[in-house]
Amino acid sequence: GNSVTQMEGPVTLSEEAFLTINCTYTATGYPSLFWYVQYPGEGLQLLLKATKADDKGSNKGFEATYRKETTSFHLEKGSVQVSDSAVYFCALNSGGSNYKLTFGKGTLLTVNP
Amino acid sequence: DTAVSQTPKYLVTQMGNDKSIKCEQNLGHDTMYWYKQDSKKFLKIMFSYNNKELIINETVPNRFSPKSPDKAHLNLHINSLELGDSAVYFCACELSGSSYEQYFGPGTRLTVT
Repeated sequence: GNSVTQMEGPVTLSEEAFLTINCTYTATGYPSLFWYVQYPGEGLQLLLKATKADDKGSNKGFEATYRKETTSFHLEKGSVQVSDSAVYFCALNSGGSNYKLTFGKGTLLTVNP
Repeated sequence: DTAVSQTPKYLVTQMGNDKSIKCEQNLGHDTMYWYKQDSKKFLKIMFSYNNKELIINETVPNRFSPKSPDKAHLNLHINSLELGDSAVYFCACELSGSSYEQYFGPGTRLTVT
């Protein structure tokens, strides 16, 4: 079955630091890959996505590249802000009979001023 | 206009009671989901409906019963509430063929005492 493994948190950074949150996956077929973000007290929002190998998703300064050879979709941002403090979820969906999003366990990011 | 709305936002009730959570989406999407998020932020899919038809029913106690009166609504009824049902419940929706991108509601925090 499908699975997503992302780095355990919490991650604590100072403002303007570089961020990487690792995500690797196991899936049948050719999944679409996602990063969702959950700000405190809110629901999940799609941050970025990639639907095929070597695609790069980007949004709000965050980037992630779909690496089929390493089955990875690591999230990066060059300079984090306090407002980026949230829980980040890596997810995949491979469709077919397994038509559902499979989420990682989430990584809590705290950015200090 | 809120794309996916849930009511109530907070629900505090006693063990043994029956309660409902309502979800409405105005995006015209044809697939809707219920997720449960535990205290460690782990997300677990519970149900999925496509065009009012149940397509995913994970190993959820039969005290939980989803109902979809129309494509825009997916309600969750819970009988005989237990302490372990305390969690945040999220509704989400998706347009078939849209690269599996899901839109989430703000969540309902259920506390069973």
